[in-house]
Amino acid sequence: EVQMMESGGGLVQPGGSLTLSCEASGLTFSSKWMHWVRQAPGKGLVWVSRINSDGGSPAYADFVKGRFTISRDNAKNTLFLQLNSLRAEDTAVYYCARGMYYYDSSAYTSYYDAFDVWGQGTMVTVSS
Amino acid sequence: QSVLTQPPSASGTPGQRVTISCSGGSSNIGSNPVNWYQQFPGTAPKLLIYSNNQRPSGVPDRFSGSKSGTSASLAISGLQSEDEADYYCAAWDDSLSGPVFGGGTKLTVL
Repeated sequence: EVQMMESGGGLVQPGGSLTLSCEASGLTFSSKWMHWVRQAPGKGLVWVSRINSDGGSPAYADFVKGRFTISRDNAKNTLFLQLNSLRAEDTAVYYCARGMYYYDSSAYTSYYDAFDVWGQGTMVTVSS
Repeated sequence: QSVLTQPPSASGTPGQRVTISCSGGSSNIGSNPVNWYQQFPGTAPKLLIYSNNQRPSGVPDRFSGSKSGTSASLAISGLQSEDEADYYCAAWDDSLSGPVFGGGTKLTVL
């Protein structure tokens, strides 16, 4: 069965830390870019971070730069997100998502930002 | 405040054709392809359309996408009750160096 399973969410106090994990099974992982996307309660989707297939070129949304760190272990088909200095506004469901490769012939450019496989999400609640 | 702008709601009756718009700017939709996602309450999103108008395997051809300039649209023809969901557009943003999403459109099938 093709699936990605997040874990590590929970209740944490402001200023605290958490590490989220996303374990992939039944699908190609090591050659794919991977992303984290979050969704605050009742709100829309927001991209958080991405990492390329070999663990290089991590990138972050401005609102998490310097606080969150993305990494991966291809031998274990697992993606991670280290969350530090957490704030109330970080409260959300965090999804891992696989970045599908596609080529846009009109722009002569390759993309990895279509999220073709998603985990079920893990809830992070930041509250005192 | 989302970078891409979508109407918060849309509706239609079974069998109708409905469209959902997505407006952006030169750094995102204007220079990069658009992807669309469908999300049911309490579940993870699902990729519906990628690269403006391409359907992943398994997505019915009732769903179609288009793009013109800095705007894009998702069309659903032959509307069915099971299409009632939230729909999000997304595109890479060159200024932000990451993907940006619309705020989402809640589709109601009357």
